[in-house]
Amino acid sequence: ETGVTQSPTHLIKTRGQQVTLRCSSQSGHNTVSWYQQALGQGSQFIFQYYREEENGRGNFPPRFSGLQFPNYSSELNVNALELDDSALYLCASSLSRGSYGYTFGSGTRLTVV
Amino acid sequence: DQQVKQNSPSLSVQEGRISILNCDYTNSMFDYFLWYKKYPAEGPTFLISISSIKDKNEDGRFTVFLNKSAKHLSLHIVPSQPGDSAVYFCAAKTDSWGKLQFGAGTQVVVTP
Repeated sequence: ETGVTQSPTHLIKTRGQQVTLRCSSQSGHNTVSWYQQALGQGSQFIFQYYREEENGRGNFPPRFSGLQFPNYSSELNVNALELDDSALYLCASSLSRGSYGYTFGSGTRLTVV
Repeated sequence: DQQVKQNSPSLSVQEGRISILNCDYTNSMFDYFLWYKKYPAEGPTFLISISSIKDKNEDGRFTVFLNKSAKHLSLHIVPSQPGDSAVYFCAAKTDSWGKLQFGAGTQVVVTP
């Protein structure tokens, strides 16, 4: 049974650029949630995808968007990067949208300069 | 608006002693609480949880206590072991679709 895999592990981007982060969900899981963890803060919910559709969104601007594919893997896209977007981005998969049994990936560390 | 707060960023405890991690919340609609443990360069892993209808849940060395009137929960680790050194996150949820609110974490260091 494979866990959640995120790529890349580290990334440096320039302000104004666009970035795509990727996540492969755990086998058998159909729900993926994305979280942003800024330094010294709790993880903030970005959005959740269930069976390829967005199933809820946190307080993030529209330049944060996502996708879920038929194999339940997911992408997080951020346009017009700002310095404050520098954070650890965590992907978590779960058996279903109501499940709290998250399996987290190890995250992508994004630095915007 | 931080609805889940862990006010102690770090905790140092001797091996064999009890570690007590605290978490406060503001939203009375939270119905489920979880603790996650995170090692460097790894994702958080689920440790223990408690439903709002209970006040205690125990799993081996780990016990979570919930005081709803005080909007407070705590995680006790007894006895503490060096492998327990990690960052511990408290999380809570209200929604049926499982969105979690996380605290900022507490770094636990267990010394020999």
